[in-house]
Amino acid sequence: GQQLNQSPQSMFIQEGEDVSMNCTSSSIFNTWLWYKQEPGEGPVLLIALYKAGELTSNGRLTAQFGITRKDSFLNISASIPSDVGIYFCAGQADGGSQGNLIFGKGTKLSVKP
Amino acid sequence: SQTIHQWPATLVQPVGSPLSLECTVEGTSNPNLYWYRQAAGRGLQLLFYSVGIGQISSEVPQNLSASRPQDRQFILSSKKLLLSDSGFYLCAWSNQEGMGPQHFGDGTRLSIL
Repeated sequence: GQQLNQSPQSMFIQEGEDVSMNCTSSSIFNTWLWYKQEPGEGPVLLIALYKAGELTSNGRLTAQFGITRKDSFLNISASIPSDVGIYFCAGQADGGSQGNLIFGKGTKLSVKP
Repeated sequence: SQTIHQWPATLVQPVGSPLSLECTVEGTSNPNLYWYRQAAGRGLQLLFYSVGIGQISSEVPQNLSASRPQDRQFILSSKKLLLSDSGFYLCAWSNQEGMGPQHFGDGTRLSIL
């Protein structure tokens, strides 16, 4: 079945540093999504990508839909303590109305003030 | 705007007791609805999804069941809970075509004693 490899699993950074994380897939996706989850809460959608090569920003966050459609990247610039959480990528392939997503295992981000 | 509500937020149940978790969506019609389980704060496992009233698809064999008695109501149930049912349960919705992002509720933390 389809799998997503998300890396790194965890990051410990200093406030102000930039962060990069990525997801790769063994198969093609038509949609890439990035979510952030804080402790005790549900994941919140950060960025949605719908076209290969698309580069989209949301404040200090920038995500890209890889040209091969098998990968996606999320960058966070000038990190702040409230960026702490687990970041998930998710991919969606065409076919069917069920809209099922394949999720990565998450990148846990810790920011030291 | 659309909102999604889950309750209760936390639940402690003895082994062998029944379970009913409820999820409702407002501000949209005929959404796709999903139940996920998340263990140890990492990785989302899709349990059930529904594309319409009374239509339930199960992704993994398990001790749980789901029902959709109304368009915007999704219920997760069990007749007899097992220790392994402990976890963080998340409900999500997406548009009726199933293409595009899923939006999550705040989850229910279920502890089985």
